[in-house]
Amino acid sequence: AQKITQTQPGMFVQEKEAVTLDCTYDTSDQSYGLFWYKQPSSGEMIFLIYQGSYDEQNATEGRYSLNFQKARKSANLVISASQLGDSAMYFCAMRGEPFLAGGGADGLTFGKGTHLIIQP
Amino acid sequence: ETGVTQTPRHLVMGMTNKKSLKCEQHLGHNAMYWYKQSAKKPLELMFVYSLEERVENNSVPSRFSPECPNSSHLFLHLHTLQPEDSALYLCASSQGPGQYYGYTFGSGTRLTVV
Repeated sequence: AQKITQTQPGMFVQEKEAVTLDCTYDTSDQSYGLFWYKQPSSGEMIFLIYQGSYDEQNATEGRYSLNFQKARKSANLVISASQLGDSAMYFCAMRGEPFLAGGGADGLTFGKGTHLIIQP
Repeated sequence: ETGVTQTPRHLVMGMTNKKSLKCEQHLGHNAMYWYKQSAKKPLELMFVYSLEERVENNSVPSRFSPECPNSSHLFLHLHTLQPEDSALYLCASSQGPGQYYGYTFGSGTRLTVV
């Protein structure tokens, strides 16, 4: 079974500061993908960044970067120069090998999320 | 504008009603999903359809009945729901079941059962 753990239920950060959102995962799959999503109050889940388990370099997308430490099973999201519009729920998720490839799941497994509030 | 459209955005229904949630994607994706998001709980995968066939059903009560008539449309039929079924229901699609594909989500239907 796959499991995602996000240990920070909520965070307050000053505008323009960098913020790190923690995520650890557990899986028995050899190949997997790690994802971060942002969910504003409107409800829509917005894809931010992806890291493959065999990627040697950490993923970056604009102000978002993923600090991937495979041995520690850690995939923290770093947001540089935070903005007021970054206030939202943030979810870490993973996807393993699909059933047909011998994997244990065929959907994204999500953590409980971190509620990030950016203060002016 | 998201490539995945969910209707209605909000729904209030009684426990004896029958209603349906609709999801539509125009991204050419082959897999579609229903998720339930309750307060203070992780997103729960309800149903997975790949190439219009149900691949996974995570022990969802029979009062939830999915339908996938084609690769672009997904429905969730609701009947005799309970108040604890009140939640945000999110639809998503992906290019395929593999671990490299993320999801594109709709904006969700916020369901209240009274």
